[in-house]
Amino acid sequence: ILNVEQSPQSLHVQEGDSTNFTCSFPSSNFYALHWYRWETAKSPEALFVMTLNGDEKKKGRISATLNTKEGYSYLYIKGSQPEDSATYLCAFSGGGADGLTFGKGTHLIIQP
Amino acid sequence: NAGVTQTPKFQVLKTGQSMTLQCAQDMNHNSMYWYRQDPGMGLRLIYYSASEGTTDKGEVPNGYNVSRLNKREFSLRLESAAPSQTSVYFCASSDNRAPNQPQHFGDGTRLSIL
Repeated sequence: ILNVEQSPQSLHVQEGDSTNFTCSFPSSNFYALHWYRWETAKSPEALFVMTLNGDEKKKGRISATLNTKEGYSYLYIKGSQPEDSATYLCAFSGGGADGLTFGKGTHLIIQP
Repeated sequence: NAGVTQTPKFQVLKTGQSMTLQCAQDMNHNSMYWYRQDPGMGLRLIYYSASEGTTDKGEVPNGYNVSRLNKREFSLRLESAAPSQTSVYFCASSDNRAPNQPQHFGDGTRLSIL
């Protein structure tokens, strides 16, 4: 069973502050690293899929980096807004058609 | 734009009953997946189908069977439901021909086994 760890488990951030959290994953047999945003009572929504060491992706105020050699990825949120409150999931892929191995998520709460 | 559709959204079963969870996607994806989500456990893969006609076990397959009926549909069956199978079940699909394709999730089926 693969081990995908996310930290912290939960995070309270003041509106307007920037924040980041970590996903660690196996550095062997790497195919892709996914980030999803998951709001309560909704389905997970894809943010990024990264495949190459050193990849950086950005969508609005959210960005992510990837280090496959050491097995970690960071997700950054700049200028947090209340609508950023959600659980952020990372998931490891060891092959194209194989399912994903998910971390337990970082639960982010933005306080006005 | 339907995406991934799961039915039913909610279901309550008694221990020992059987049922089938349905999933259909309209994005012409070749791969489909079933996950379960339990408190404190994150999403765990039950079964997946890389392409029409193939299915494979994931991390937690015991107590489940699947059928890839055609390219669009992938069903999950509980033959004899147990309380440990109380969970939220998510179906997902993806285009696995390129490594940078995300999975697209349905809205989930909340299943309670009494």
